[in-house]
Amino acid sequence: GAVVSQHPSWVICKSGTSVKIECRSLDFQATTMFWYRQFPKQSLMLMATSNEGSKATYEQGVEKDKFLINHASLTLSTLTVTSAHPEDSSFYICSARDQEREPYEQYFGPGTRLTVT
Amino acid sequence: GQNIDQPTEMTATEGAIVQINCTYQTSGFNGLFWYQQHAGEAPTFLSYNVLDGLEEKGRFSSFLSRSKGYSYLLLKELQMKDSASYLCAVTDSNYQLIWGAGTKLIIKP
Repeated sequence: GAVVSQHPSWVICKSGTSVKIECRSLDFQATTMFWYRQFPKQSLMLMATSNEGSKATYEQGVEKDKFLINHASLTLSTLTVTSAHPEDSSFYICSARDQEREPYEQYFGPGTRLTVT
Repeated sequence: GQNIDQPTEMTATEGAIVQINCTYQTSGFNGLFWYQQHAGEAPTFLSYNVLDGLEEKGRFSSFLSRSKGYSYLLLKELQMKDSASYLCAVTDSNYQLIWGAGTKLIIKP
């Protein structure tokens, strides 16, 4: 149990276009989902916390107008990178927390590798 | 502020034992996680400690001392596939996960 999927697993887009990444909890309801970004050889960086039915909470330094997060259902959150630029190329990972199951660990999706050309 | 410290990199020999330490200073404490992350992949859950003591799970064990703000992950009978980054993360009083920078473990034959 506790499976999180992410789609797409990798994407290449042109500078200036937008890219949407989906994160789904397949066998549990996730009231809270998290979006991380990881640059090569660096640790995970939390971008935002997404709560179902409410606005996401963004970490300091993350532009909310550039990284649009929607968490419209208990099993789906989306991250849209708007007007992507080469510096947005990174590994984007989502995770979901099962509020019904202690210790409330975060279950990670497989990640999406974004390359902006 | 909140802070989690772990060594940047460690090297060990196949078949040996290695201990990866983690110290933390957070606003509140609701548990400590260890995750394993292979290059280019998402983290996977290894262990969880919320009470003091040692939790053993196969070749991996995790220890916690809340009074010292200290944990370690012990890996026994090291295998080449154990080469990965090991991330320490603490859940604070708001149940937010605070991440360490990770320890890259290199296993040599």
